Amino acid sequence: DGGITQSPKYLFRKEGQNVTLSCEQNLNHDAMYWYRQDPGQGLRLIYYSQIVNDFQKGDIAEGYSVSREKKESFPLTVTSAQKNPTAFYLCASSITTGGNQPQHFGDGTRLSIL
Amino acid sequence: RKEVEQDPGPFNVPEGATVAFNCTYSNSASQSFFWYRQDCRKEPKLLMSVYSSGNEDGRFTAQLNRASQYISLLIRDSKLSDSATYLCVVSTSGTYKYIFGTGTRLKVLA
Repeated sequence: DGGITQSPKYLFRKEGQNVTLSCEQNLNHDAMYWYRQDPGQGLRLIYYSQIVNDFQKGDIAEGYSVSREKKESFPLTVTSAQKNPTAFYLCASSITTGGNQPQHFGDGTRLSIL
Repeated sequence: RKEVEQDPGPFNVPEGATVAFNCTYSNSASQSFFWYRQDCRKEPKLLMSVYSSGNEDGRFTAQLNRASQYISLLIRDSKLSDSATYLCVVSTSGTYKYIFGTGTRLKVLA
């Protein structure tokens, strides 16, 4: 079955630690995205990538970094500079970034501070 | 004004009822519209895209009103399993940006 796989499902971060969230898709989609969702709030865009080896900052990129070395993979690193990392992180993909194609989501990673 | 606005609800309706939600958007250049369903502590799942002429998928009907800049979702014959949060998403063709509403919560009561 085609889809988007995120891991781990739950992640705990210690003070000063960087953690990496995995996102893999086998939909052959060019575009991939990372969002953060806080309780009672809409999804906020962290980073997006239109194509391999290219990525752009979204609305709340500070304290995060990404890479896109393979079409299938778009890992997100939450660095120690992100002072409020506790949230539900969602990875999505779409055929292109043209905006006229719907996004499909992975099942998310819940990140908490220890 | 928020780019995409939804009534947070909750809308509490009995099983079998018909319920409708609206979502307003502020950018008149918006061209693509979607409804997603999100269950508690789960990821959003695409419910349907919204086409200019309106579209229907079983018990669900989506409409677009460009003049008043809103989209709507109608659910007929509500089921207990329809209880969820419904997210409205708006994008502008040629851009990367999808704007998400904060969602409308629906509770279908037995």
